[in-house]
Amino acid sequence: KAGVTQTPRYLIKTRGQQVTLSCSPISGHRSVSWYQQTPGQGLQFLFEYFSETQRNKGNFPGRFSGRQFSNSRSEMNVSTLELGDSALYLCASSPGLAGSHLYEQYFGPGTRLTVT
Amino acid sequence: AQSVSQHNHHVILSEAASLELGCNYSYGGTVNLFWYVQYPGQHLQLLLKYFSGDPLVKGIKGFEAEFIKSKFSFNLRKPSVQWSDTAEYFCAVNQAGTALIFGKGTTLSVSS
Repeated sequence: KAGVTQTPRYLIKTRGQQVTLSCSPISGHRSVSWYQQTPGQGLQFLFEYFSETQRNKGNFPGRFSGRQFSNSRSEMNVSTLELGDSALYLCASSPGLAGSHLYEQYFGPGTRLTVT
Repeated sequence: AQSVSQHNHHVILSEAASLELGCNYSYGGTVNLFWYVQYPGQHLQLLLKYFSGDPLVKGIKGFEAEFIKSKFSFNLRKPSVQWSDTAEYFCAVNQAGTALIFGKGTTLSVSS
C-alpha cells in the first residue's frame, strides 16, 4: 500500500498571502488529521476530517481551514499568512471507523512552509 | 484543558545506557496512550500503544512503556540504547471521539 502523500513538500510564501496544502491518505482510510509541527510547540492538532465532515478541531484561528473530498483526499488552507505560520504541516490518516481512536495514525512526510 | 507533558526536552546518552522518557497526561477517564518516534529525515511512526489490559506494553525495536493510572503516566523505556535510537520521541493521548494530542517531544541523542 502506498503511504500518506503530501504536496508540495516545500513552500515559500510571503506574509499576507494564502496557501493550500494537499494530503492523500492511505487507500481505504477515511479519516485525515492535520498537525502543525514547530520546534517550540511540538505537534499541535489542527483538525480532523472524516467522510467529508470536520469531526474534531484544535485551537487555531479561523485563518486555518480544511476540507475533505469524497475520495478522502484533504486540503488545508491558511489565509493571510503570518511569519509565525512557518512550520512543518503534517497530515495523518487512519481508518476512521467506529472505535477509530484505537487505531494508530499514519503520518505523511509533511509540507515545510516558510513565510517571509 | 487536556494536556500531555513530556518532562525531558533533550536527553543525551551513551550507547548501552538505559533510557526512560517521562510522559504525563491530564485527562480524566479512560485514555488511549501512544508513543511515536521521528528519526532524522523520516516520517513519524508508531513505537507502541496502550488501550487496555497489561499496563506494560512492548513495542518495536526493544522499547516498552508502562501505564501507571494513579500517576497519570506512560513512561517509555529501553534497557540499552543504540546510536540508531537517536530521534525525537512523542507521547500522545486520546479518548473515544477526541483528537490525538501530542506532547512537545523529547530529543534523544545517543553517542557511540
